[in-house]
Amino acid sequence: DVKVTQSSRYLVKRTGEKVFLECVQDMDHENMFWYRQDPGLGLRLIYFSYDVKMKEKGDIPEGYSVSREKKERFSLILESASTNQTSMYLCASSPVGRGVGYTFGSGTRLTVV
Amino acid sequence: GEDVEQSLFLSVREGDSSVINCTYTDSSSTYLYWYKQEPGAGLQLLTYIFSNMDMKQDQRLTVLLNKKDKHLSLRIADTQTGDSAIYFCAETDILTGGGNKLTFGTGTQLKVEL
Repeated sequence: DVKVTQSSRYLVKRTGEKVFLECVQDMDHENMFWYRQDPGLGLRLIYFSYDVKMKEKGDIPEGYSVSREKKERFSLILESASTNQTSMYLCASSPVGRGVGYTFGSGTRLTVV
Repeated sequence: GEDVEQSLFLSVREGDSSVINCTYTDSSSTYLYWYKQEPGAGLQLLTYIFSNMDMKQDQRLTVLLNKKDKHLSLRIADTQTGDSAIYFCAETDILTGGGNKLTFGTGTQLKVEL
């Protein structure tokens, strides 16, 4: 069963901490994405990557960075966590080519206190 | 940029049909998608439609696309309690390099009542 795995379901971090959210896919997909989901705002794209060591800013990249050293792994980094980064974070992957949907991970609910 | 809009809530009785609506602004959309999110889970792809189609049916699901009005709908026949979830509409943004960046709507919370 192919899947996208996010390392943590729930995380609680303190303001100012550096936070790493990990995502691994086993489908050999080229494209990987990080979204945050907030009530009433839907999914907003933070960063995406089309290939190893490649990254592109999404709609809300401020306060975040990413790393893709291997094809199967895409990490989201909160350099200095703030309370307004409390959210559900969703990772997704897709193969090359239009018309194919994403496969999503189960999400990480991050609370910054 | 692209915008995808949905109403936030819909309540139906078990056994009735549900219709979830979506409007989008990107006239160059090529594929439009419906995703389902159950509580505590990620999003699951339900179905998609290519922009040159008007309708697509898959068991209890019917997708209608009005490209002129940029309106997409998802009809669920004989709605069951297991259909209670958040439903997201999404569309592609045409990019170079084979990328497939989707723009999602706000999601519609469907509540099925007995």
